[in-house]
Amino acid sequence: LAKTTQPISMDSYEGQEVNITCSHNNIATNDYITWYQQFPSQGPRFIIQGYKTKVTNEVASLFIPADRKSSTLSLPRVSLSDTAVYYCLVGDMEYSSASKIIFGSGTRLSIRP
Amino acid sequence: DAGVTQSPTHLIKTRGQQVTLRCSPKSGHDTVSWYQQALGQGPQFIFQYYEEEERQRGNFPDRFSGHQFPNYSSELNVNALLLGDSALYLCASSLVGGQGETQYFGPGTRLLVL
Repeated sequence: LAKTTQPISMDSYEGQEVNITCSHNNIATNDYITWYQQFPSQGPRFIIQGYKTKVTNEVASLFIPADRKSSTLSLPRVSLSDTAVYYCLVGDMEYSSASKIIFGSGTRLSIRP
Repeated sequence: DAGVTQSPTHLIKTRGQQVTLRCSPKSGHDTVSWYQQALGQGPQFIFQYYEEEERQRGNFPDRFSGHQFPNYSSELNVNALLLGDSALYLCASSLVGGQGETQYFGPGTRLLVL
């Protein structure tokens, strides 16, 4: 199982860029890296997914170095509404991957005015 | 495009009772996974259904069972409820063969066992 390690919590201020790094030293060749955001009492929401290099969408960017042993989720110009728990997941591309994906405790991001 | 829906939103049961939770997947998705999320923890995988069969299972006892219907919707059943079963139960849907197997989650059902 590809286990991930991420900071338990982070604090930042509105308008700042926030980078959350996730370590996944035993990532396998077929594994994708996926980030989810979760607000209290809601289901996790898909943010971004990547395999290597850099991926960007309207919400965030994901940076993956060549060795793929870590990844960094970048949230540009955060607002109070970005306060949430962020999960880094690693899993393979086959439909049978769900049981191998471990959410962990995530990173609790707090944004202050 | 309807996302993943779950019912009911909240439920209160007593120890020993049985409960059934329901999930409708995102339009176009054929696979449903169920997760249990205790307060302050990340979701834990219970099982996954594809083509009306349980294809994968996490480390949960047989008291947890499920079903998938021809329209891809799914039910989670929990028998002989324990206090420790109190949690947010999440349903996630995905499409087999979809790139990266991205899962889309529903809002969850909050179960309280007294």
